[in-house]
Amino acid sequence: NAGVTQTPKFQVLKTGQSMTLQCAQDMNHNSMYWYRQDPGMGLRLIYYSASEGTTDKGEVPNGYNVSRLNKREFSLRLESAAPSQTSVYFCASSQRQGPGYGYTFGSGTRLTVV
Amino acid sequence: GENVEQHPSTLSVQEGDSAVIKCTYSDSASNYFPWYKQELGKRPQLIIDIRSNVGEKKDQRIAVTLNKTAKHFSLHITETQPEDSAVYFCAASKGGSYIPTFGRGTSLIVHP
Repeated sequence: NAGVTQTPKFQVLKTGQSMTLQCAQDMNHNSMYWYRQDPGMGLRLIYYSASEGTTDKGEVPNGYNVSRLNKREFSLRLESAAPSQTSVYFCASSQRQGPGYGYTFGSGTRLTVV
Repeated sequence: GENVEQHPSTLSVQEGDSAVIKCTYSDSASNYFPWYKQELGKRPQLIIDIRSNVGEKKDQRIAVTLNKTAKHFSLHITETQPEDSAVYFCAASKGGSYIPTFGRGTSLIVHP
């Protein structure tokens, strides 16, 4: 039982390049999330998917797009990377949205945009 | 929207001491408050949570208290150990999506 798996773990991009961060969960969770973590800023929500077939913007969606490919997979795409997108990205999932349903996080992707 | 303030940003204690991390929230409709622990270089993990109909919850050496009137909630760690060293995040959420708003984190350092 792997939980939440993210790939890649590390990535360096040049400004303007594109890439997709992959996330998959094997816990049959309904809801999935993408966060970014910057020093001193805590965890900020980029996009989420409450259930298969739905996606919604979070606090900091600009410059990103997402795809809920199926119940297991939720990808995050940077179309034209900018240095401001240098961050650690975490994917998370929860059984559903509600009190008592805490998040299970992936191990993170450290992205550097030069 | 919701705003969660967390203090202190850094907390240094000696092994065996108690540690208290405090959070305040702005939206009185928030009713679920999880706490996450993130060890250096690792993923955040849920360690305890509390709902608004409960004033206190304990799990071994950790406890969380909630004061709805003052919109404060706190994490208490007793008999701290070096393995408690980590960044701790509080969060607040409410009905509908229950998307949590996170505090900025507290770096707890436990000195042996």
